[in-house]
Amino acid sequence: GQNIDQPTEMTATEGAIVQINCTYQTSGFNGLFWYQQHAGEAPTFLSYNVLDGLEEKGRFSSFLSRSKGYSYLLLKELQMKDSASYLCASMDSNYQLIWGAGTKLIIKP
Amino acid sequence: GAVVSQHPSWVICKSGTSVKIECRSLDFQATTMFWYRQFPKQSLMLMATSNEGSKATYEQGVEKDKFLINHASLTLSTLTVTSAHPEDSSFYICSAKGGTSDNSPLHFGNGTRLTVT
Repeated sequence: GQNIDQPTEMTATEGAIVQINCTYQTSGFNGLFWYQQHAGEAPTFLSYNVLDGLEEKGRFSSFLSRSKGYSYLLLKELQMKDSASYLCASMDSNYQLIWGAGTKLIIKP
Repeated sequence: GAVVSQHPSWVICKSGTSVKIECRSLDFQATTMFWYRQFPKQSLMLMATSNEGSKATYEQGVEKDKFLINHASLTLSTLTVTSAHPEDSSFYICSAKGGTSDNSPLHFGNGTRLTVT
């Protein structure tokens, strides 16, 4: 079956670095997406990886290992506004997104 | 970047009435739009795929006669919740792919919070 696993909740300190992991099992693979969702709002696109390696985009970076079915989202220099849920989604062979349940990130001063 | 507009942002309706939610792609044409539902503290659940000029494709367990989808143009899809009940209260979000590639990222509307009393 298709499955996405990511931690339910993480806590980090303002100014620090946090890594949110995601493992996936999907029928075929056409890329791994990360979205940010603030409470009560719709998700916003953060990153897309389809090749192995690290993609850096400002304070946020995303990593993919296709052989391990593994990705992580790395957030640096954490700010209070980064408190949100982070959704991992894998795109299967039919180009359908399989969503994880999201990781709620709590930033403390 | 691609912008998806969803209206209304929130709506309260009485049980038994119908509610229409609109989803528009503002600066691009979307042959396919997706409708999601999200309950509190839960992940996104795909309800249906809306295809321009043809019938929507519904996910298993989603009643097509209750959740009517119309995709009459390349920039507009509507979801109508018919004979709404309190259990239909949820956050409904539409999305569209921001590019022509199959693996283009989804861009979401701002969502509609529906409360049925």
